[in-house]
Amino acid sequence: GENVEQHPSTLSVQEGDSAVIKCTYSDSASNYFPWYKQELGKGPQLIIDIRSNVGEKKDQRIAVTLNKTAKHFSLHITETQPEDSAVYFCAASRYNFNKFYFGSGTKLNVKP
Amino acid sequence: GAGVSQSPRYKVAKRGQDVALRCDPISGHVSLFWYQQALGQGPEFLTYFQNEAQLDKSGLPSDRFFAERPEGSVSTLKIQRTQQEDSAVYLCASSLSGGARKETQYFGPGTRLLVL
Repeated sequence: GENVEQHPSTLSVQEGDSAVIKCTYSDSASNYFPWYKQELGKGPQLIIDIRSNVGEKKDQRIAVTLNKTAKHFSLHITETQPEDSAVYFCAASRYNFNKFYFGSGTKLNVKP
Repeated sequence: GAGVSQSPRYKVAKRGQDVALRCDPISGHVSLFWYQQALGQGPEFLTYFQNEAQLDKSGLPSDRFFAERPEGSVSTLKIQRTQQEDSAVYLCASSLSGGARKETQYFGPGTRLLVL
């Protein structure tokens, strides 16, 4: 089965700085990679996703890059704000298998 | 529109009790998933439905766990004879369908289960 590893487990940045979270996956057949943000007491909320036919995707201050050869993908948050503080999860899946395999999460703390 | 809803939000059970957790997916979503999230960990897959058919239950940890979706909308996850190791947040997610472009899963707020 798929194994997704995520690091760092905690990340502390100053407001306005950039944050980068990295994930690796083991199954070369995985082709869909979503990122979720989870705030305390809430369910995960999708913030961005990328499919394997694309190397990079941007949405305002958030971007995701994918390197299929190396089997790793990263989340980049620029101009961080205190409201970005949360736990972020990466995940990997295959279209026809549906279930997501999640990383262990990164707790991001943005200091004002 | 309305998102995925789950009830109850919190459940305290004594060891050995049976519990039932409910999930209302987004209207029209064909696929429904249950995940278990231990404290400080990422969600782990339990089971998956497409309409009323349970297509994958490979993640259910034991035969004490049972899920159903009889009419292809609301789903119930039942845990019999709860054990302390069952304490976790149980997340439900739904998606339009499997396959490319429709695979995004939308999560509910979860049910936090504490077994004493």
